[in-house]
Amino acid sequence: DAKTTQPNSMESNEEEPVHLPCNHSTISGTDYIHWYRQLPSQGPEYVIHGLTSNVNNRMASLAIAEDRKSSTLILHRATLRDAAVYYCIPLQTGANNLFFGTGTRLTVIP
Amino acid sequence: DAGVIQSPRHEVTEMGQEVTLRCKPISGHDYLFWYRQTMMRGLELLIYFNNNVPIDDSGMPEDRFSAKMPNASFSTLKIQPSEPRDSAVYFCASTPRRNNEQFFGPGTRLTVL
Repeated sequence: DAKTTQPNSMESNEEEPVHLPCNHSTISGTDYIHWYRQLPSQGPEYVIHGLTSNVNNRMASLAIAEDRKSSTLILHRATLRDAAVYYCIPLQTGANNLFFGTGTRLTVIP
Repeated sequence: DAGVIQSPRHEVTEMGQEVTLRCKPISGHDYLFWYRQTMMRGLELLIYFNNNVPIDDSGMPEDRFSAKMPNASFSTLKIQPSEPRDSAVYFCASTPRRNNEQFFGPGTRLTVL
């Protein structure tokens, strides 16, 4: 399984964009990059996933480096409800085993 | 849909007792997962099922843990006998197909005294 490196914590001001980085230099060519987040006292929640090109959905955008060794989750306008631990998870095509690392704890400052 | 349902939400028991955690996946989801979260080890996958059949149980810590899925709408995770180190939050998740987003339940917080 590909290893990931994320900063332990980040802070953002409310209503400002947030860029959450993830390094996954050992990712294989068929691994999708999934992002989940876990709000306090809740189960993890899917955010977004992609393979090669950048992806957008209602929650966030995912920018994937051309060499796929890193990716960045972008929250366009952070709200207090976005305060959570964000996990970057490479996942093999056809696989189901999500391996959660330590993630990045995002604090949003009002 | 109500989402993934877990019960109980909180369980406090004494060492040596049997504990049964329950999960109802989202209707139509063919995959069901059991995870455990502790401060020391983070979130770990314990076991997952596809169409009620256990596919990968390599994460189950030891023989004291067992999981069943008698039908598509119900699964149990049993710990017998329980030990204080089993104290954790146990999450159940489901997904309709491989490599798809997983939907997590609210978790069961287990405390073994």
